[in-house]
Amino acid sequence: DAGITQSPRHKVTETGTPVTLRCHQTENHRYMYWYRQDPGHGLRLIHYSYGVKDTDKGEVSDGYSVSRSKTEDFLLTLESATSSQTSVYFCAISVGGATYEQYFGPGTRLTVT
Amino acid sequence: AQSVAQPEDQVNVAEGNPLTVKCTYSVSGNPYLFWYVQYPNRGLQFLLKYITGDNLVKGSYGFEAEFNKSQTSFHLKKPSALVSDSALYFCAVRDPISYSGAGSYQLTFGKGTKLSVIP
Repeated sequence: DAGITQSPRHKVTETGTPVTLRCHQTENHRYMYWYRQDPGHGLRLIHYSYGVKDTDKGEVSDGYSVSRSKTEDFLLTLESATSSQTSVYFCAISVGGATYEQYFGPGTRLTVT
Repeated sequence: AQSVAQPEDQVNVAEGNPLTVKCTYSVSGNPYLFWYVQYPNRGLQFLLKYITGDNLVKGSYGFEAEFNKSQTSFHLKKPSALVSDSALYFCAVRDPISYSGAGSYQLTFGKGTKLSVIP
């Protein structure tokens, strides 16, 4: 999984609680991404980062925030979890320019009850 | 805006037969195209990409894909399917002309095609 770890791998939480997912990479890549995967929707981009403290919104950013205080860590926070945020969340890195593919972490399965 | 379509939710093929998983795209410029595979409870794994050059691209595990600009397609193929090829396959596109901010390189993914190879 390209030196990418995600934690936790599984989480069950209650509606209204905040949740933070962590993505950690070991290879000092500049670009990092958070996606969610849902049946019938494929992967949709939530937020991405192009450097420490440099982040921007993706296609489905409402209800999510991110932070990147170190190159190796990219955190995704659900400010107040809702059942619609039950999903599998994937972190990815890109090794460089537009021609380079993205590499994905193993995913976090989040259930909001 | 860039988009990608995978018209088949599921493809069934007998082991040993050739397989094709279809993908069509829409971009404003010349596309960068990618195929990924996802095995159960795993992340996506990169298979191959088309950037420029030869329209037939070879990738991992014996897969190849053919870029067809006139039909805006990038179909994934394999001459002889294996049971172990059974997985979820995603096509993705990047429009090099679109600017999404500060050098980010966003991919747009299709909804995925489930490939089942029957013994």
